[in-house]
Formats: sequence, structure tokens, C-alpha cells
Amino acid sequence: AQKVTQAQTEISVVEKEDVTLDCVYETRDTTYYLFWYKQPPSGELVFLIRRNSFDEQNEISGRYSWNFQKSTSSFNFTITASQVVDSAVYFCALSEWANAGKSTFGDGTTLTVKP
Amino acid sequence: DAGVTQSPTHLIKTRGQQVTLRCSPKSGHDTVSWYQQALGQGPQFIFQYYEEEERQRGNFPDRFSGHQFPNYSSELNVNALLLGDSALYLCASSFARGITGELFFGEGSRLTVL
Repeated sequence: AQKVTQAQTEISVVEKEDVTLDCVYETRDTTYYLFWYKQPPSGELVFLIRRNSFDEQNEISGRYSWNFQKSTSSFNFTITASQVVDSAVYFCALSEWANAGKSTFGDGTTLTVKP
Repeated sequence: DAGVTQSPTHLIKTRGQQVTLRCSPKSGHDTVSWYQQALGQGPQFIFQYYEEEERQRGNFPDRFSGHQFPNYSSELNVNALLLGDSALYLCASSFARGITGELFFGEGSRLTVL
């Protein structure tokens, strides 16, 4: 069975601080996808990034960066110079390689960025 | 290009009633997956429809059922509603069950059971 753990339930930072959201996963599959989503109060899950299990290159997109370490089964997400608009719930998710439609989600981390 | 659309956005039911939620997938997508998100938790996979059949199912009772139409749209039905069914129900669409890893979510239908 697959499992995703986001140990940080809530994080509060002041604007312009850097913040890292942790994600640890469990799976017996050798190939799989990992995702990060952002959920604003409206409810829609906004896709941020997808990684496949054989690509451990770190990725940077603007103020966002992701660190994937297969050896520790972790896929952490860092926001640099946080902004108030970054306030939301962030979810890490894991899916089978052949079926991203069936994803296992963590319970999310609520990020509050204060001005 | 319309994304994933869900209806209704909000609804209130009482225990024992039945509810139907609807989802139209993103253009070009043929697979619909349904998720239940209780307050303060992550989404949980209910089931997935592909080629008008239920292909995968999560750990949900038979009170939860669904359907997929030839135009790929889908319905989620919940019978004999319980208070614990109160949640945000999310629909996600993908192509060929998400084999490319792309998954798009709608804004959800928020169900309150009184």
C-alpha cells in the first residue's frame, strides 16, 4: 500500500522568509509519480509539479524548488522569499506509474505567510 | 478550453437521502477519478471510470457508486447519506487513466449532511 506523510500540519512564517514543506512517502513500486498541489480556500487543487521516480534532479521554478531523494523517500518543497499569496494548504501526493488518476495524498500542510 | 467542471458547487442534504454529483472532464480527457476530502484531511480516492466502466476503487462502501457516459462525463452517487459523508468531493480528469502523469482537478462539490 502507498502512504504519504506530511509531518508539518501548520507552518507560519513572515513574508520574505524561506520555508520548506516536508513530504515522506512509502511505496513498493519501483516506478511511480510524485506531485505537489496547492489548495486555496476556493477548494480547487492547483498542480505545482510532477516528478517521476527515475528522475532525481532537483527542480527550480521561480521561487519554488523541489528536492527529491529516493534514498530517503522524500520529496520536499521549498518556497524562497515567501509572499502572502503563498498562503494555502499544500498537498504532496504519490501515484502508480501507469495510473496518475489514482493518487494517494498526504494530509496537507497549512502555510500562513504573514505580512 | 474549459477545464474540469463540477456541479453543484454546494448542496445540503439530510441523513438517509441520496445525492448525485456531476463532473465534466477537461477536453481530450477520457478518464474521471473521484475523491472525497474531509475537513482537515487530504483527498481520498473513491473510484475511477475509464471506458464507461469502474476500473479502480478505493476503500469506500457500496453506497458510493458512479457512472461514466459516452461523452466521458461522470456522476457520483451516494445513497443513504450519513453525517460522515459531509465533505468536499473532487473530480479529477486525465487521459488514459493518467498514464502521462497529468491530472486536472475541478473546484469540487461541497456536500453537507445534516
